[in-house]
Amino acid sequence: RKEVEQDPGPFNVPEGATVAFNCTYSNSASQSFFWYRQDCRKEPKLLMSVYSSGNEDGRFTAQLNRASQYISLLIRDSKLSDSATYLCVVNHGGGTSYGKLTFGQGTILTVHP
Amino acid sequence: IAGITQAPTSQILAAGRRMTLRCTQDMRHNAMYWYRQDLGLGLRLIHYSNTAGTTGKGEVPDGYSVSRANTDDFPLTLASAVPSQTSVYFCASSATDNSPLHFGNGTRLTVT
Repeated sequence: RKEVEQDPGPFNVPEGATVAFNCTYSNSASQSFFWYRQDCRKEPKLLMSVYSSGNEDGRFTAQLNRASQYISLLIRDSKLSDSATYLCVVNHGGGTSYGKLTFGQGTILTVHP
Repeated sequence: IAGITQAPTSQILAAGRRMTLRCTQDMRHNAMYWYRQDLGLGLRLIHYSNTAGTTGKGEVPDGYSVSRANTDDFPLTLASAVPSQTSVYFCASSATDNSPLHFGNGTRLTVT
């Protein structure tokens, strides 16, 4: 089993739709979790951190389920500008864990008019 | 300079040549990282540095070396480039081991 797995998609949704991505991780000791967004031929950029209690930022909601070892990202009222690849990132080290970040392969989202 | 700067933006390199990719950050972050990104394989860690003066190997370190002489700079060197090192290279930094990464804008390297 891969350390971090995402459904690669692509997800093709119309504007205004709600779409959700899941990401599973294998290491139960994983401590921090993030969602990144990457536009074509650009660097990944932090979309949001994922907190144990779940967190929301505008149209975006992130949740963590430690028991089932997955995180999710929900996008409401999709915009054309949301089209991108969404990367799940897991820090699966304990203590001094530099270099322990693992990236999922990304989920491609295309929002169409 | 704001954030992380990588240079060059792109490069075509003959196999066997030596190449250093430059990375500089101005955020005083302790940790810095080099990743390569290839289609179908995602981002893979090459080397990292916890703090100035220390480095560590990532998932795919072979053929690459790094140094961290100071907090700001983290160059990546290909001693003798091979075509399989054709990739997009991203430098990143983080304040602590649980902090999110900040990425540079990447270097597109083609080894012919």
